[in-house]
Amino acid sequence: AQSVTQLDSHVSVSEGTPVLLRCNYSSSYSPSLFWYVQHPNKGLQLLLKYTSAATLVKGINGFEAEFKKSETSFHLTKPSAHMSDAAEYFCVVTIREEYGNKLVFGAGTILRVKS
Amino acid sequence: DTAVSQTPKYLVTQMGNDKSIKCEQNLGHDTMYWYKQDSKKFLKIMFSYNNKELIINETVPNRFSPKSPDKAHLNLHINSLELGDSAVYFCASSQHRGYEQYFGPGTRLTVT
Repeated sequence: AQSVTQLDSHVSVSEGTPVLLRCNYSSSYSPSLFWYVQHPNKGLQLLLKYTSAATLVKGINGFEAEFKKSETSFHLTKPSAHMSDAAEYFCVVTIREEYGNKLVFGAGTILRVKS
Repeated sequence: DTAVSQTPKYLVTQMGNDKSIKCEQNLGHDTMYWYKQDSKKFLKIMFSYNNKELIINETVPNRFSPKSPDKAHLNLHINSLELGDSAVYFCASSQHRGYEQYFGPGTRLTVT
């Protein structure tokens, strides 16, 4: 079965330091993977996506993620955290079913950025 | 120029009532979805419609009935509301099944 595991429920970094949010996936075929961000009391915004093209994917706001098949990982990184990055981040995998595809969300990682 | 919009943003109601949440997308997408986010922030798909046809129906109580009058709209009607229905409901849309999905701002439903 396809699933995602976000390895940290909370991550705390200082402003200006690197961000690493970890995600491992399980899939019986080549997956499509996404990272979404949810700011407090807001909807979900797509950060970036991997759909079997380049393994290093660049997204919005300076985030990027690398698809590593050998490690079944899709970790999200950013070189330098900003206060506005404080939010909850969801790693997502697509499940292919007969009548359509659906997204399966990880449990989320709350990113806290300290000044 | 809102891409995916939902109304109302907040909904407070009593147990046993019937309520509806509306969703509209102006992206020209052909597939729309409803998700439920519980108090622990866990997101799970409820329904998916493609060109007004139901294609995904997860294990959701019959009290929940989606309705898609056209490709741009997917409404969610809930009968006999229960305390456990309290959650944030998100509408989303995508171009074709499986492409990235764009989410609405959510509707926070509180059942008292």
